[in-house]
Amino acid sequence: SAVISQKPSRDICQRGTSLTIQCQVDSQVTMMFWYRQQPGQSLTLIATANQGSEATYESGFVIDKFPISRPNLTFSTLTVSNMSPEDSSIYLCSSSGGGPTQYFGPGTRLLVL
Amino acid sequence: EDQVTQSPEALRLQEGESSSLNCSYTVSGLRGLFWYRQDPGKGPEFLFTLYSAGEEKEKERLKATLTKKESFLHITAPKPEDSATYLCAVHKNSGGSNYKLTFGKGTLLTVNP
Repeated sequence: SAVISQKPSRDICQRGTSLTIQCQVDSQVTMMFWYRQQPGQSLTLIATANQGSEATYESGFVIDKFPISRPNLTFSTLTVSNMSPEDSSIYLCSSSGGGPTQYFGPGTRLLVL
Repeated sequence: EDQVTQSPEALRLQEGESSSLNCSYTVSGLRGLFWYRQDPGKGPEFLFTLYSAGEEKEKERLKATLTKKESFLHITAPKPEDSATYLCAVHKNSGGSNYKLTFGKGTLLTVNP
């Protein structure tokens, strides 16, 4: 299974600012995903990060708010733009090597004041 | 609408007291059901994938089973280190290479010594 790291592990940000979260996988993977985990809620898929093409966003999530990059087969970034307190959450990156099983990173804990 | 419901929301056991967690789903075209374990402050850790009704998988004190409507995670003689949130997720046939997982809210298991 792939080993995934995320940076930063946590951050406290002011409303109106943006934060970019990095996700690094220790091997080349076909697919990378970004999830949000809010207290008491299930993990919710934000988007699928596709290498060499635009990310695919789920209903309720838009590129202007959550721009994603996938420059190669081991790295992706998620930016949370123009943040508000409602964006306070855990953001998780995962990867898949070609099948449906996904392996997750440790998460980024974001608090927006 | 696809739904994944986990019960109970929380379960408290004494060490050695066996029990089961439930994951019921309403998904058309199920392609796989996944169990993850999540410790506080960490990302989900993959446990099992089940693909068809009647399938069973085991790992140490954990055994996962699958029917056409639900999955059970049986915990035999649990130890305090089994304390975690257990997440269930489903992957359905939605065409193409979409590997979207739909998660339940999880069951928080606490095992007291």
